[in-house]
Amino acid sequence: GAVVSQHPSRVICKSGTSVKIECRSLDFQATTMFWYRQFPKQSLMLMATSNEGSKATYEQGVEKDKFLINHASLTLSTLTVTSAHPEDSSFYICSVPIAGTGELFFGEGSRLTVL
Amino acid sequence: TQLLEQSPQFLSIQEGENLTVYCNSSSVFSSLQWYRQEPGEGPVLLVTVVTGGEVKKLKRLTFQFGDARKDSSLHITAAQTGDTGLYLCAGVWGAQKLVFGQGTRLTINP
Repeated sequence: GAVVSQHPSRVICKSGTSVKIECRSLDFQATTMFWYRQFPKQSLMLMATSNEGSKATYEQGVEKDKFLINHASLTLSTLTVTSAHPEDSSFYICSVPIAGTGELFFGEGSRLTVL
Repeated sequence: TQLLEQSPQFLSIQEGENLTVYCNSSSVFSSLQWYRQEPGEGPVLLVTVVTGGEVKKLKRLTFQFGDARKDSSLHITAAQTGDTGLYLCAGVWGAQKLVFGQGTRLTINP
């Protein structure tokens, strides 16, 4: 069964609105989660590292005020795309490392379409 | 900045043929992973290679990690239509942060 769950799997919104995407780890706790973005026909690009109980760490070129990350519990991280624009349309994927194993599990991804 | 160059980016071959996908970098990684991704889904881990020179086999797939831990290859023997998909290599550095290659979109024709 799934180890990491993302919701929603698809979302369509109007330009200027904000969209929240959830990433949940099932049956285990995660102090760290990673958020990736994947444009059509391209590879995954790391956006930020979500840290439970502290601020997220953003990769170079990723606007922290536009992509708000909240890791409020050991099983949930949320990514909020604020004031979304059509260029934010992408496939957003989270991944969760399993402590002590070196393994990473990915969520199913969330496809955002901004009209 | 760690970069991974994956080649070829597109590959279309006939069922039964063999193929190799390459993943190269100027950086040394603690380990390297290969993933397969279906459209509209997240990547699924195929294998992790850790030791320089390591070779791992997964049925008809053979994965090799370069001696210097900077490059890797994926070889598929007797490809089947079910092997069609996007294959991604990813270098692991830091606290399980991944840097992905561009991906190889593989199409196996019947």
